[in-house]
Amino acid sequence: GAVVSQHPSRVICKSGTSVKIECRSLDFQATTMFWYRQFPKQSLMLMATSNEGSKATYEQGVEKDKFLINHASLTLSTLTVTSAHPEDSSFYICSAPDRVPDGYTFGSGTRLTVV
Amino acid sequence: DQQVKQNSPSLSVQEGRISILNCDYTNSMFDYFLWYKKYPAEGPTFLISISSIKDKNEDGRFTVFLNKSAKHLSLHIVPSQPGDSAVYFCAATFVLMDSNYQLIWGAGTKLIIKP
Repeated sequence: GAVVSQHPSRVICKSGTSVKIECRSLDFQATTMFWYRQFPKQSLMLMATSNEGSKATYEQGVEKDKFLINHASLTLSTLTVTSAHPEDSSFYICSAPDRVPDGYTFGSGTRLTVV
Repeated sequence: DQQVKQNSPSLSVQEGRISILNCDYTNSMFDYFLWYKKYPAEGPTFLISISSIKDKNEDGRFTVFLNKSAKHLSLHIVPSQPGDSAVYFCAATFVLMDSNYQLIWGAGTKLIIKP
C-alpha cells in the first residue's frame, strides 16, 4: 500500500533553534499534504494543508511564520519549526490522501522535544 | 465547536468480547467517516471507513455502523484481542474543492483489552 515516510521520528533541540520535519510519499504523488499536531490527551489538530506548487493554507491560530511549510515537489513536503520554544514540544504527523476519499496515509510521526 | 465527538475517553473490554466504540457528529454534510487506530508515538493507521450513503461496512473483525438520523456511528470489534489496545479516532470528511478533502477528527477513545 501507499507509504508516507516521515523523518526524523524523534528530535531534541535547544530553544531558539529551528527543526525541519520531512514527509515523503513513496510510490504515489501527493499534491496535498496535511500537517497535524497532537497535544497530550487531546485529538489530532490540523495545523495546515500544503499544496504542491502553491502556498500552504494554515488553520486559524497557527502562526505561519513559525511553522514554515514547503511542498517543493509531488513527493516531498516539509514542516520547519522556527525559533522553537518548549511549548512547541509535541507530536507532529503528516498525512496525504491516497485513495480519496476513503483513505489517508499517515507518516509515522515526529516527537519534538524543545529543551 | 466540535463537529466530531467521541464522548468516552477510555473503554476497557475483556479479551474475546465485543468492543464498541462510539462517535457522534453534527455536520450533515460529511460524506465519509473513517476509523483510525493509533499506538503511542506512531502515526494513525487507517482501519475502516463508511460512506454516508451506507449504514454498515464490515472488514474482518471490524464493522462500522452509521445511523444518519441520529448522526451517530460506531465501530464494533469482535472478538477483541490484546493487540487491539490502542487509541481509536473517529474522523469525518467533506469536500473542500476538487479532490481535496479535509478530515475532522474526534478526540479519540483509548481501548484497553484485558486478558
